[in-house]
Amino acid sequence: GDSVTQMEGPVTLSEEAFLTINCTYTATGYPSLFWYVQYPGEGLQLLLKATKADDKGSNKGFEATYRKETTSFHLEKGSVQVSDSAVYFCALKIRGGGSQGNLIFGKGTKLSVKP
Amino acid sequence: EAEVAQSPRYKITEKSQAVAFWCDPISGHATLYWYRQILGQGPELLVQFQDESVVDDSQLPKDRFSAERLKGVDSTLKIQPAELGDSAMYLCASSLSWGELFFGEGSRLTVL
Repeated sequence: GDSVTQMEGPVTLSEEAFLTINCTYTATGYPSLFWYVQYPGEGLQLLLKATKADDKGSNKGFEATYRKETTSFHLEKGSVQVSDSAVYFCALKIRGGGSQGNLIFGKGTKLSVKP
Repeated sequence: EAEVAQSPRYKITEKSQAVAFWCDPISGHATLYWYRQILGQGPELLVQFQDESVVDDSQLPKDRFSAERLKGVDSTLKIQPAELGDSAMYLCASSLSWGELFFGEGSRLTVL
């Protein structure tokens, strides 16, 4: 079935370090791919998305490129800040099918950024 | 800014008791979702509504969980009786059909 696998955390970085959180997926259809962020005590917020192969989603300095050949959607940021500390979820949504619009999430990666 | 409202934010209950969560989606959003997020894991869909109709409840444990959206606006998720394994965050989300999902802050349930 459709699934998302993302790197286990927690990830601890110093401020201004480079961030990569790996995400790979398995999908029977043609997925759209997403990264959501969950700050402490808050709900999930959409960080960025990509709807087709080779698309690059970007927001707040974060980027991810939809790689169909490697079925990946890795999240990157060149210089993290303390305020980026949160849990990051990779997710996919299959266009068409019975549960249209439903998101399938990875397990989440907790990022802690130290000053 | 429009938000998805959920209540209560926190609920502590004893096993075998009944518990209910409420969600008010963003106005005009036809699609409403209930997800369960167990600590350390990603959210998993429990039930999806399109207006007042259930689109997908295949992962809803129907022996103890029920969900309704009677007028196609707000929704209630009920658990009766609650079990220890039901301790989790219950997230509600809404969207325009095919659109971006907007999540509420969630209702954290602890079953003792």
